[in-house]
Amino acid sequence: DADVTQTPRNRITKTGKRIMLECSQTKGHDRMYWYRQDPGLGLRLIYYSFDVKDINKGEISDGYSVSRQAQAKFSLSLESAIPNQTALYFCATSEGFSYNEQFFGPGTRLTVL
Amino acid sequence: SQQGEEDPQALSIQEGENATMNCSYKTSINNLQWYRQNSGRGLVHLILIRSNEREKHSGRLRVTLDTSKKSSSLLITASRAADTASYFCATASIQGAQKLVFGQGTRLTINP
Repeated sequence: DADVTQTPRNRITKTGKRIMLECSQTKGHDRMYWYRQDPGLGLRLIYYSFDVKDINKGEISDGYSVSRQAQAKFSLSLESAIPNQTALYFCATSEGFSYNEQFFGPGTRLTVL
Repeated sequence: SQQGEEDPQALSIQEGENATMNCSYKTSINNLQWYRQNSGRGLVHLILIRSNEREKHSGRLRVTLDTSKKSSSLLITASRAADTASYFCATASIQGAQKLVFGQGTRLTINP
């Protein structure tokens, strides 16, 4: 079984809809991250969490919110989706310091029409 | 702005040849990491090199780090078709919040 899972894997929605992307991990890591990847670009950090009570904004947090329901679960929400949020979204985890190796989920491809 | 910038953006070589990708960055780092991404999939960690290391090997991978030039290179020797992927460098700054900053990646195509 995969250590970091994401649901859904693909989602098509309409402008203005609220969308939640979910991430679960079985690695026992405290640190979890949400990234966004646009075609031809690298990954940009949306939010990150060092533990259940510690959530931090990343480079591009506007229009997004997160919830760390448990050590193993970290959800990303788009409160009112817009077309330029169409992208590939990745969840990742790391052990100890954030600059250690990160483990990525398979990604969620989101299309906002 | 992105911390790491890869060069070239795209590279196409014949199977069996060596592939070299470069990464430049701007600030002092704790470490630099290389990741591979197969099309549309999650990133997979390849290798981490610390700021006090100059070279590191892992199988057919060789990574160098030159902190004076703020640059790193990833060499894949004896390339295979399965090496076709995008390769990203990620830097961990010694300043500010503890997080990785990813470059834009090099798209590597190995032709059979």
